[in-house]
Amino acid sequence: GQQVMQIPQYQHVQEGEDFTTYCNSSTTLSNIQWYKQRPGGHPVFLIQLVKSGEVKKQKRLTFQFGEAKKNSSLHITATQTTDVGTYFCAGPTSGTYKYIFGTGTRLKVLA
Amino acid sequence: DVKVTQSSRYLVKRTGEKVFLECVQDMDHENMFWYRQDPGLGLRLIYFSYDVKMKEKGDIPEGYSVSREKKERFSLILESASTNQTSMYLCASSFRATTFLTEAFFGQGTRLTVV
Repeated sequence: GQQVMQIPQYQHVQEGEDFTTYCNSSTTLSNIQWYKQRPGGHPVFLIQLVKSGEVKKQKRLTFQFGEAKKNSSLHITATQTTDVGTYFCAGPTSGTYKYIFGTGTRLKVLA
Repeated sequence: DVKVTQSSRYLVKRTGEKVFLECVQDMDHENMFWYRQDPGLGLRLIYFSYDVKMKEKGDIPEGYSVSREKKERFSLILESASTNQTSMYLCASSFRATTFLTEAFFGQGTRLTVV
């Protein structure tokens, strides 16, 4: 079945360092979404990418959608303690309204 | 603001009990979802519903059933709770767009412990 993998599973960084998480799908995605879950919280939508090769920025966060629409990345520049949490990518299961979520990358920022 | 409300934040149930987890959304969303979240496994879809009385199995439906009698409410039922169903359960809802998925809104989660 369709799978969405994320790497790394965990990442510890010093505050001020950059961070990147990668999302890889076994099938082509029509669009991809990114969510952030703070410790003890629930996933919250960050952004959606639709076009092949699309790049979007939100302040220190940069999101990319691969040319083949099978992979995506989230890059955070100069991490802050407020960036702590788990980042998930999600894409639609082919031909349905179901979201399939990646395994998530848990980010810890050391002050 | 969209609100997705789950009936309980924490639940402790005994093995063999029938358990009901309730979820209500206030934005007239067509789609509703139930996920379970376990460390290292991400969010796994149990069931979803795209309209009243309509449901589809997700990736791990065994041991669960669902009910959607009204558009705003989606219930997850554990027919006979077992210890391997101890988990965080997350409900979500979204609009049903024609071309691609829309943003999913999540409830605060129910941490279920089966003893």
